Amino acid sequence: EDQVTQSPEALRLQEGESSSLNCSYTVSGLRGLFWYRQDPGKGPEFLFTLYSAGEEKEKERLKATLTKKESFLHITAPKPEDSATYLCAVQASGSARQLTFGSGTQLTVLP
Amino acid sequence: DTAVSQTPKYLVTQMGNDKSIKCEQNLGHDTMYWYKQDSKKFLKIMFSYNNKELIINETVPNRFSPKSPDKAHLNLHINSLELGDSAVYFCASSQTGNYGYTFGSGTRLTVV
Repeated sequence: EDQVTQSPEALRLQEGESSSLNCSYTVSGLRGLFWYRQDPGKGPEFLFTLYSAGEEKEKERLKATLTKKESFLHITAPKPEDSATYLCAVQASGSARQLTFGSGTQLTVLP
Repeated sequence: DTAVSQTPKYLVTQMGNDKSIKCEQNLGHDTMYWYKQDSKKFLKIMFSYNNKELIINETVPNRFSPKSPDKAHLNLHINSLELGDSAVYFCASSQTGNYGYTFGSGTRLTVV
């Protein structure tokens, strides 16, 4: 069974204090690993898809990396508006395209 | 605006009632999904339809019945609501060949 574990559960940073979120996964053949951002009362918003080990993607202060067992979401010099819950999900090859999600990391960036 | 829209956003109802949640997408996607997010924030797949055909039906009580009248709409009907059905339900869509999903803003169901 596909599994996704995210750590830490919650992270508080000062504005400008860089850090990383971890997503460990087990999947029967990876089609894609996804990062989403979820604000309170809203649906998840797509950030990145990574397909193979060694791949990296960047968007503003966020950079996602992928190995065969885990993915990291690096946040460089975060701002208060980066506060949200960050969700990681995997899609298995051969699946009917459903995503298996982790429980998320709740990030708070203090001014 | 191109989006996935769900109605209602909030639903408070008594145990035993029957209720429906509607979802529509105008993105031209061919696949739609229902996910349930529990109090611990886990999102779990419930159903998926591709071009109006059911392709995923996870272990969900028979009281939950999805209906897709066309590929732009996927509704969720729930019979005999129970306290444990309280959660946030998200609709999402995707297009074959593009693995990313677009999610709606969710329906918070509270059963009292």
